[in-house]
Amino acid sequence: EDQVTQSPEALRLQEGESSSLNCSYTVSGLRGLFWYRQDPGKGPEFLFTLYSAGEEKEKERLKATLTKKESFLHITAPKPEDSATYLCAVQAGYAGGTSYGKLTFGQGTILTVHP
Amino acid sequence: GAGVSQSPSNKVTEKGKDVELRCDPISGHTALYWYRQSLGQGLEFLIYFQGNSAPDKSGLPSDRFSAERTGGSVSTLTIQRTQQEDSAVYLCASRLTGTRGGELFFGEGSRLTVL
Repeated sequence: EDQVTQSPEALRLQEGESSSLNCSYTVSGLRGLFWYRQDPGKGPEFLFTLYSAGEEKEKERLKATLTKKESFLHITAPKPEDSATYLCAVQAGYAGGTSYGKLTFGQGTILTVHP
Repeated sequence: GAGVSQSPSNKVTEKGKDVELRCDPISGHTALYWYRQSLGQGLEFLIYFQGNSAPDKSGLPSDRFSAERTGGSVSTLTIQRTQQEDSAVYLCASRLTGTRGGELFFGEGSRLTVL
């Protein structure tokens, strides 16, 4: 069974204080690893897709990296508007039956950035 | 419409009643997902539709839950004989055919409260 574990559960930062969020996963052949941002009362918003170990993606103050066992979301000089819950998800690479498209999500990391 | 539309946005019901939640995906998106998010929790996969293929129902928690997708577009999630543990936000997402799978576009969710 595919599993995704995110840490820490919650992270409080001062504005400008860089840090990283972790996503550890076990999956039957990784098709893709995805990061989403979720604001309170909203649906998750897509950030990045990573497909293979060593791949990196960047967007503004966020940078996602991938190894064979985990992914990191690095936040450089965060601002209060970066406060949100960050979700990690994996998609397995097996094409059995109709399970090909299912994403398995972690519990999320609640990030709070204080001014 | 421009995004995934879900209705109702909020539903309060009494234990034992049936409820229907509706999802209108982005036009042209052939893949449609239902997830459930309990307070402070990650996303729990419920069901996945892809085109004319048989849906992946592996995440439905009990036979009280069912979903259908008519005409390859609108989907309805039905919960029969609701229980208090069914209280959660039900999220719908859609995806464009031909993409590698990760970029799901989520609706705002339907918040269900069972008294």
